[in-house]
Amino acid sequence: GNSVTQMEGPVTLSEEAFLTINCTYTATGYPSLFWYVQYPGEGLQLLLKATKADDKGSNKGFEATYRKETTSFHLEKGSVQVSDSAVYFCARTSGSARQLTFGSGTQLTVLP
Amino acid sequence: GAGVSQTPSNKVTEKGKYVELRCDPISGHTALYWYRQSLGQGPEFLIYFQGTGAADDSGLPNDRFFAVRPEGSVSTLKIQRTERGDSAVYLCASSLTNSPGNTIYFGEGSWLTVV
Repeated sequence: GNSVTQMEGPVTLSEEAFLTINCTYTATGYPSLFWYVQYPGEGLQLLLKATKADDKGSNKGFEATYRKETTSFHLEKGSVQVSDSAVYFCARTSGSARQLTFGSGTQLTVLP
Repeated sequence: GAGVSQTPSNKVTEKGKYVELRCDPISGHTALYWYRQSLGQGPEFLIYFQGTGAADDSGLPNDRFFAVRPEGSVSTLKIQRTERGDSAVYLCASSLTNSPGNTIYFGEGSWLTVV
């Protein structure tokens, strides 16, 4: 089936540290891949996406590259800020491309 | 409003009661989705509407759950005979069309607690 496995948290980093949150997906079909972010007290927001192999999604200093050979879509940021503290969800489209399958989320806390 | 609006934001109900959760999608969005998010988990798909019709209801857990979108805009998720295990955040989302390239926008959710 379609599933997403995400690095478990929580992750705690100091400001300006390098961030990687791992995400792998089952190689079923040709999914689009997403990272969503949920800030405290807010709804899910799309952070970035990639729709085909080798695409790189980027936004707000975050990047993720669609790696078909390793079925991965790891989220990276070179220098995190306190304001990046949130829960990050990796997601993929299903075979019908009309629904999203989410990972379990990774809580990130950035300390000043 | 500019985003997906959900009401109520919080609902506490007794086991066995009936509950309705409302979603007002972004104006002009034809695709509407319901997801359920349990504590510490990612959202799980429930149902998807394209216009007025439920195009995919494969995620509804059982026949106590039902959703409608009679005029192709506002949607209501209905839960009958609620159980404690139904306690979760119910998320609504919408997108401009059902094209895979369209961004899906989420509301802030309705927190349902069944006691």
